[in-house]
Amino acid sequence: GAVVSQHPSRVICKSGTSVKIECRSLDFQATTMFWYRQFPKKSLMLMATSNEGSKATYEQGVEKDKFLINHASLTLSTLTVTSAHPEDSSFYICSARTSGRWANEQFFGPGTRLTVL
Amino acid sequence: KQEVTQIPAALSVPEGENLVLNCSFTDSAIYNLQWFRQDPGKGLTSLLLIQSSQREQTSGRLNASLDKSSGRSTLYIAASQPGDSATYLCAVRAGAGSYQLTFGKGTKLSVIP
Repeated sequence: GAVVSQHPSRVICKSGTSVKIECRSLDFQATTMFWYRQFPKKSLMLMATSNEGSKATYEQGVEKDKFLINHASLTLSTLTVTSAHPEDSSFYICSARTSGRWANEQFFGPGTRLTVL
Repeated sequence: KQEVTQIPAALSVPEGENLVLNCSFTDSAIYNLQWFRQDPGKGLTSLLLIQSSQREQTSGRLNASLDKSSGRSTLYIAASQPGDSATYLCAVRAGAGSYQLTFGKGTKLSVIP
């Protein structure tokens, strides 16, 4: 139980294009989803928190117009990197939490490697 | 602002050895602390979660301790195996009302057969 998937696992795109990454909770309803970014040999940095049906809360320094987050249902959140540039190349990981017994834990997806040429 | 530090950044041990990974955090007012494992190019797998009121948690060959007042946690791995090779991350959660996790940079462990 508590499986989170991400799609795609790897994406390469040209500079200036937009890329959408999906995060799905497969066997539970995710009341909250989180998007992280990880640079090589660096900590995971929280980008934003999203609750189903409401606007995402972005961390300081994260451009909300650049990184569009939609949490349309209790099992799906999407991160769209708009007008991607090489500096957006990174490993993006989502996590999800549910209510009830497992409310204290976040379950992480396998990550998406974005390379912008 | 909470900062999490993990020492060492990398560790290489022969198979069968017991080892300890360290995690320290600057703000002792945490809700819980969690240890994760990350394989190269993969997501995170939760290993152990310690609530702020707890001293330790055990799962198989893993034992995590928490000394909240001194801002430290250790992850003890007994009888290490090559399959334990991965990066180990610790993360702290600030409070009951906040689900934000602050991560360390991790310790990359290599267990040599």
